[in-house]
Amino acid sequence: TQLLEQSPQFLSIQEGENLTVYCNSSSVFSSLQWYRQEPGEGPVLLVTVVTGGEVKKLKRLTFQFGDARKDSSLHITAAQPGDTGLYLCAGDQGAQKLVFGQGTRLTINP
Amino acid sequence: GAVVSQHPSWVICKSGTSVKIECRSLDFQATTMFWYRQFPKQSLMLMATSNEGSKATYEQGVEKDKFLINHASLTLSTLTVTSAHPEDSSFYICSAADRAGETQYFGPGTRLLVL
Repeated sequence: TQLLEQSPQFLSIQEGENLTVYCNSSSVFSSLQWYRQEPGEGPVLLVTVVTGGEVKKLKRLTFQFGDARKDSSLHITAAQPGDTGLYLCAGDQGAQKLVFGQGTRLTINP
Repeated sequence: GAVVSQHPSWVICKSGTSVKIECRSLDFQATTMFWYRQFPKQSLMLMATSNEGSKATYEQGVEKDKFLINHASLTLSTLTVTSAHPEDSSFYICSAADRAGETQYFGPGTRLLVL
């Protein structure tokens, strides 16, 4: 089973600051997805990146897939309290089987 | 957008009983559904892959006789936790892949507490 290391596991910052979450692996993935999960709910897909070097933007969130398709990052600009949540990266191992990172629990303080 | 539902959303049962969890794709057909387990403060771990009309494929370490999966139609998969024990208490989440197979849509999860 391929492994995904997500860092940091916990992050607490003030409203308005910028932050980056990393997702790293020694394995190559055909695609990588980022999810956000609220307590007691299932994960909600934010983005899927497929091509090495690909950059996708979703309002204040910028997602990047590494050139070698082994790592990815999520950058949030001017974080807001509404961004608080658990962010999960997941890599497609093939046949749609996803392996999830440990998650980053993000807290944005007003 | 594609919607996946789970029922029940939470269940409390006595040790030794069996519990069935349903996963439905409401507005699309899902040839493949996936079952995950998530313990508190941990990430999702894939338990098994469920294909319509065939036997489920279980991940290493997951007991197929304890976690029975049935995928009888293109919109319904069920997970039955047989002879549940307190250590089976967890958050069980299903996902369904559409026919294109490009995206997995996750259900809201079922919280199981075994006393």
